[in-house]
Amino acid sequence: GENVEQHPSTLSVQEGDSAVIKCTYSDSASNYFPWYKQELGKRPQLIIDIRSNVGEKKDQRIAVTLNKTAKHFSLHITETQPEDSAVYFCAASDGGYQKVTFGTGTKLQVIP
Amino acid sequence: DVKVTQSSRYLVKRTGEKVFLECVQDMDHENMFWYRQDPGLGLRLIYFSYDVKMKEKGDIPEGYSVSREKKERFSLILESASTNQTSMYLCASSGFFGPGTRLTVL
Repeated sequence: GENVEQHPSTLSVQEGDSAVIKCTYSDSASNYFPWYKQELGKRPQLIIDIRSNVGEKKDQRIAVTLNKTAKHFSLHITETQPEDSAVYFCAASDGGYQKVTFGTGTKLQVIP
Repeated sequence: DVKVTQSSRYLVKRTGEKVFLECVQDMDHENMFWYRQDPGLGLRLIYFSYDVKMKEKGDIPEGYSVSREKKERFSLILESASTNQTSMYLCASSGFFGPGTRLTVL
C-alpha cells in the first residue's frame, strides 16, 4: 500500500518568513495530493491540492509543488502570519476509490 | 455547505463494551472514510466505503468493523472495546471531515 512520509514534524518560523513542508510517497499510481490544515481542537480542512498532471499550484500565500519522478511534493507558505500556526498534513490518493493516505503531520508555529 | 456530522463529540466506554460511532453526510458523496488520530501518528485509515454496502479495509482495520446501509450514513463498530482503542476518531466524506469523536476506553 501507499506510504507517505512528512518532514519536519515541527517547524518554527518568524512572522513574515516562509515555511516549507516536504512529503514523499511510495506508490507511483498515486495521482492526487491534498494538503490539510488542522487548528487546535478543530477538524482537518483542505487548503490546497494538486493532481499528477500539474507541477505547481498557487493560491495566494500558499503553493504546492509536485515532482512525480522523485515522488516528492511540498507545501510552501510565504509571508507567514500567526494564524498560519496549525498542524499541516500532506496526503496521497490513488484516485481509484479515492483512498487517501496521510503523512504524520507538521506542527507549524509562527512566532509574532 | 457540506455537512459531516458525528454522533458524539466525547464518549467514555468500558473495556469489552460494543461501541457504535456514527457519521452522516448530506452531500450525496459515494466515498466515506473512518480514521483515527493519535499524537505523532497522524491520521490512519481504518475502513472506507465507496458505495452502499461496500467496504474496504484501510491500514489498521483490526478490532473494528463498519456498516453502510444507506449512502449518507457510515458507522464504525468496535466489537469489544480495548484501552488501546482510546483515540480521536474522524469520519470523512470525500475530502470533508466531521468534528471527531474523542473515545476513552477505561
